[in-house]
Amino acid sequence: DSGVTQTPKHLITATGQRVTLRCSPRSGDLSVYWYQQSLDQGLQFLIQYYNGEERAKGNILERFSAQQFPDLHSELNLSSLELGDSALYFCASSVQGAQGGYTFGSGTRLTVV
Amino acid sequence: AQKITQTQPGMFVQEKEAVTLDCTYDTSDPSYGLFWYKQPSSGEMIFLIYQGSYDQQNATEGRYSLNFQKARKSANLVISASQLGDSAMYFCAMREGPGTYKYIFGTGTRLKVLA
Repeated sequence: DSGVTQTPKHLITATGQRVTLRCSPRSGDLSVYWYQQSLDQGLQFLIQYYNGEERAKGNILERFSAQQFPDLHSELNLSSLELGDSALYFCASSVQGAQGGYTFGSGTRLTVV
Repeated sequence: AQKITQTQPGMFVQEKEAVTLDCTYDTSDPSYGLFWYKQPSSGEMIFLIYQGSYDQQNATEGRYSLNFQKARKSANLVISASQLGDSAMYFCAMREGPGTYKYIFGTGTRLKVLA
């Protein structure tokens, strides 16, 4: 157990629907990062939050949004889902600085049918 | 543009032998970090080793070592005494600059350890 908790582990939903992925960071970590891993795009950085505020944005679609709550857990909201959104979504956390690398959660596998 | 390149889609190694997984990078930022992660078939991402751009010595973590050649912009992962449990995807990643913590990942190398 890495200490980063992601729920659910698996999610199957239909095109056009909306889903919410949840992440609880490791105790003491203020930064949360979201990544998408798909077969064609590989691992892509989506967004980073630090202590409730957005810090960096990557290749995140407008249909996707995220937030980090006061208890530091984060949610990634995916709406108007398309078949191409099927992927493994990772959350990672770190202390500020992240010199030694992130700690990743086990991921949420999203399948859009 | 920042880039990480892993040119070996797949590698085989005999159990107990050493193997080198290649990684080259491109950045114009003098401050960066290089990482290797392991992804077993179960899907989780496991941090293996880190090398900072200003570190004078190559990083080592148990059976893992990072062969850092700054002038050549390469950061190869060396796994010594391979074990069957080392069979997995291996990703090289780069963090740019002191103020950003997003990573750029390579496409990965799938390593298969043979008994």
